[in-house]
Amino acid sequence: GNSVTQMEGPVTLSEEAFLTINCTYTATGYPSLFWYVQYPGEGLQLLLKATKADDKGSNKGFEATYRKETTSFHLEKGSVQVSDSAVYFCALSDQGNYGGSQGNLIFGKGTKLSVKP
Amino acid sequence: EAQVTQNPRYLITVTGKKLTVTCSQNMNHEYMSWYRQDPGLGLRQIYYSMNVEVTDKGDVPEGYKVSRKEKRNFPLILESPSPNQTSLYFCASSPKQGRYYGYTFGSGTRLTVV
Repeated sequence: GNSVTQMEGPVTLSEEAFLTINCTYTATGYPSLFWYVQYPGEGLQLLLKATKADDKGSNKGFEATYRKETTSFHLEKGSVQVSDSAVYFCALSDQGNYGGSQGNLIFGKGTKLSVKP
Repeated sequence: EAQVTQNPRYLITVTGKKLTVTCSQNMNHEYMSWYRQDPGLGLRQIYYSMNVEVTDKGDVPEGYKVSRKEKRNFPLILESPSPNQTSLYFCASSPKQGRYYGYTFGSGTRLTVV
């Protein structure tokens, strides 16, 4: 079945360090891929998305590229800030057989990021 | 402001006492869904609804009920809560069911069943 695997946390970085959070997926067809962010005590917010191979999603300095050949959607940011401390979830929205769309989100387990001043 | 509103934010209850967690969205979204979040397990889908009067089970539906009588509301009902339903619950909505749409999430309901 469809699944998402993301790197285990927690990840601790110093301010201005480079961030990579790995995400790989297993899915039939052509899923869409998402990154969500959850700040402490809040719900999940959509950070970025990509709906087809080679698409790059970007927002707030974060980027991720949909790599079909490696079934990956790694999250990157060139210079993290203390305010980026949160839990990051990779997710896919599957496409059913024959081009149909299921659309239910399947989440990875989340990666907690802590950024120290 | 476009949002998904859940109530209550926190709830402590006793085993077997029926409860309802409300969810309302003001974006005229067709698709709504409930998830539970548990440490080490991430988010798991409980139920979803593609439109009014159309609901279906997610991955972990046991012990839960839902209804969708109006487009904006999607309550989660625990008829006889048990301690293994202690969790953080999120309601989410999307314009339609489909792989192109991201979800808007509520702020969560932390439920403790003792």
